[in-house]
Amino acid sequence: SQKIEQNSEALNIQEGKTATLTCNYTNYSPAYLQWYRQDPGRGPVFLLLIRENEKEKRKERLKVTFDTTLKQSLFHITASQPADSATYLCALDGGSYIPTFGRGTSLIVHP
Amino acid sequence: GAVVSQHPSRVICKSGTSVKIECRSLDFQATTMFWYRQFPKKSLMLMATSNEGSKATYEQGVEKDKFLINHASLTLSTLTVTSAHPEDSSFYICSAFPLAQSSYNEQFFGPGTRLTVL
Repeated sequence: SQKIEQNSEALNIQEGKTATLTCNYTNYSPAYLQWYRQDPGRGPVFLLLIRENEKEKRKERLKVTFDTTLKQSLFHITASQPADSATYLCALDGGSYIPTFGRGTSLIVHP
Repeated sequence: GAVVSQHPSRVICKSGTSVKIECRSLDFQATTMFWYRQFPKKSLMLMATSNEGSKATYEQGVEKDKFLINHASLTLSTLTVTSAHPEDSSFYICSAFPLAQSSYNEQFFGPGTRLTVL
């Protein structure tokens, strides 16, 4: 069955460092991969989308990579700030235009 | 732009009662909206796809008679949890796609509704 794995353990890093979050998937051939941010008690907010034929996408301090051979996406936040603390969800879309979400990884940036 | 609101943000009800949750696209029109539920530390689970002017499409395992969806206009979809029970307590989130968008790549989510059934 299709599976999306994100590290269930929270990632704790120091302010100013680069945070790297991982999204692995199995039994899936996504056409798109998306990353969302979710704050406690709030709905997710779209951050970035990367297509299957793209290796990397950047937006300000954010960078996403997509390796369809490894079946993995990495999400980087450079120069992290306490305000970046949140849960980050990856979502895969196989072309049905309805993405499937991972359970997310909590990021905690310490001042 | 592309703001989605939900009302109420939080609701507590007694077991056996029905609860209606509204999802509105404030500055765009949406023919399609989605309803999700999320349990603590769990991923978003798609419940149903709400289509303006037609019946909703429910995901496997979601009871359509229990979770009534109505998409009466291009800016409003409602989810009614009928005869709610404590196991229906969850965080319900809707999302919408602007009509002008050529694909469904980016969803705009509402802020969610926390339902607690006593």
